[in-house]
Amino acid sequence: EIVLTQSPGTLSLSPGERATLSCRASQSVTSSYLAWYQQKPGQAPRLLIYGASSRATGIPDRFSGSGSGTEFTLTISRLEPEDFAVYYCQQYGSSPRTFGQGAKVEIK
Amino acid sequence: DVQLVQSGAEVKKPGESLKISCKASGYSFTDQWIAWVRQMPGKGLEWMGIIYPGDSDTRYSPSFQGQVTISADKSISTAYLQWTSLKASDTAMYYCARRGRYGAYCDYWGQGTLVTVSS
Repeated sequence: EIVLTQSPGTLSLSPGERATLSCRASQSVTSSYLAWYQQKPGQAPRLLIYGASSRATGIPDRFSGSGSGTEFTLTISRLEPEDFAVYYCQQYGSSPRTFGQGAKVEIK
Repeated sequence: DVQLVQSGAEVKKPGESLKISCKASGYSFTDQWIAWVRQMPGKGLEWMGIIYPGDSDTRYSPSFQGQVTISADKSISTAYLQWTSLKASDTAMYYCARRGRYGAYCDYWGQGTLVTVSS
C-alpha cells in the first residue's frame, strides 16, 4: 500500500499569499496518477486536480499541481477567503487507492 | 448536471444491519464506476471500495474487505453500501463518489451519509 504524507499539517497564511502544500509518496506513483481535493467544514470533498497537474472542471487557475514519482505539490497562487480549507492528496495508480492525512490552510 | 444524492443520516445500535444508498443522475450510471469513501469523526478520507454498475464488478480496499458489501441496482441508478453487524467503530460519514474519466480519482461526490452506531 502506498502511504501518502502531506506537509505541513497546518499552514497559516493571509489572503493574497501563496500556499504550497506537499504530498510525498512511500513509493513511486504510477503515471502521476495523483489527485488533490479541497474539503470545507460540513461539505463533501471537491476535486481540484487530477493526473498531478490537470485542473478539474470549473477550478480557478490560481490552483496548480505539479510533481512526479514520489513528490507532488499543490500551489494556490493567491489565497482567496474561500480557499481556507483542508486539502487531501490521493494516489490512484496502485491498489488500494490511498489518501494523504490532509493539510489545513488556515487564516493567519 | 451530474448528481449523487445519498440517503439520510442513520442512528443504529451495535449488531444491527444497515444499507445506505447513493442515487445517481445526469449521466449514464452503467458506464462509470462508483466509489465509497469513509471519513471518521475529525479524521481524513479512506477509500473503501468501488463498483462498476454495468456488470457489478466490485473491488474492495483490504481494510474493508469482508466488513461491508458494495452493490448497485442499475434499474434505478443507485449504489449501496451495507453492513450486516454494525460496530461503534463504524460511526462515520460515508461518501459515494463517481470515478473520473481518466482514472480512479473522484470527480463528483454525494453529500454524505452520517452513520452513528451507539448503544
